[in-house]
Amino acid sequence: GAVVSQHPSWVICKSGTSVKIECRSLDFQATTMFWYRQFPKQSLMLMATSNEGSKATYEQGVEKDKFLINHASLTLSTLTVTSAHPEDSSFYICSARAGRLSTGRGTDTQYFGPGTRLTVL
Amino acid sequence: KNQVEQSPQSLIILEGKNCTLQCNYTVSPFSNLRWYKQDTGRGPVSLTIMTFSENTKSNGRYTATLDADTKQSSLHITASQLSDSASYICVVSPPLYSSASKIIFGSGTRLSIRP
Repeated sequence: GAVVSQHPSWVICKSGTSVKIECRSLDFQATTMFWYRQFPKQSLMLMATSNEGSKATYEQGVEKDKFLINHASLTLSTLTVTSAHPEDSSFYICSARAGRLSTGRGTDTQYFGPGTRLTVL
Repeated sequence: KNQVEQSPQSLIILEGKNCTLQCNYTVSPFSNLRWYKQDTGRGPVSLTIMTFSENTKSNGRYTATLDADTKQSSLHITASQLSDSASYICVVSPPLYSSASKIIFGSGTRLSIRP
């Protein structure tokens, strides 16, 4: 089955620093990757959608200058939380989708990574 | 507005008992409906996936049903085990051709199994 990994699995950082989270599709090419944030006892909230080689599409209310997303290859997307603050502490989950919908090929199946726990002190 | 609502919000049952979780959705049309299990501190893991034309799908002790007419789905867990303690999330996907191609998550049901 399709496997998506995230690194690191958890990170603790000081307020004001930047943190980079990696999301990799290990055995398939992911033309689209999604970044979610999840607060305790709440459902996943979509932050942004990134297509390989193009700029990410951010959801309303998500600051694109604070949450930098790069999807430079078909197997890797990164989320950088810049100038992190305690309120950014959350569980960040990525998912990857194979294929390209614009060509009518591919699938809407998303494979989720294991998540990254970010704690900002 | 496309929505997915789950009930109950939380549930506690004794080990060995059965339980049923509910999902009501307003997404129309839709491509498929999935149930995910999310352990605390982990990413969601797919349990079942059903297309519009399917009524039931099983995966071990998990059985999902779908009634496309009433826009309801349920997840039945048989002979619960302690490891079943997790959040169960219902997710509905619009068709691939839809301009609104984002999947829609329910808020989840937190299931706790007590010994």
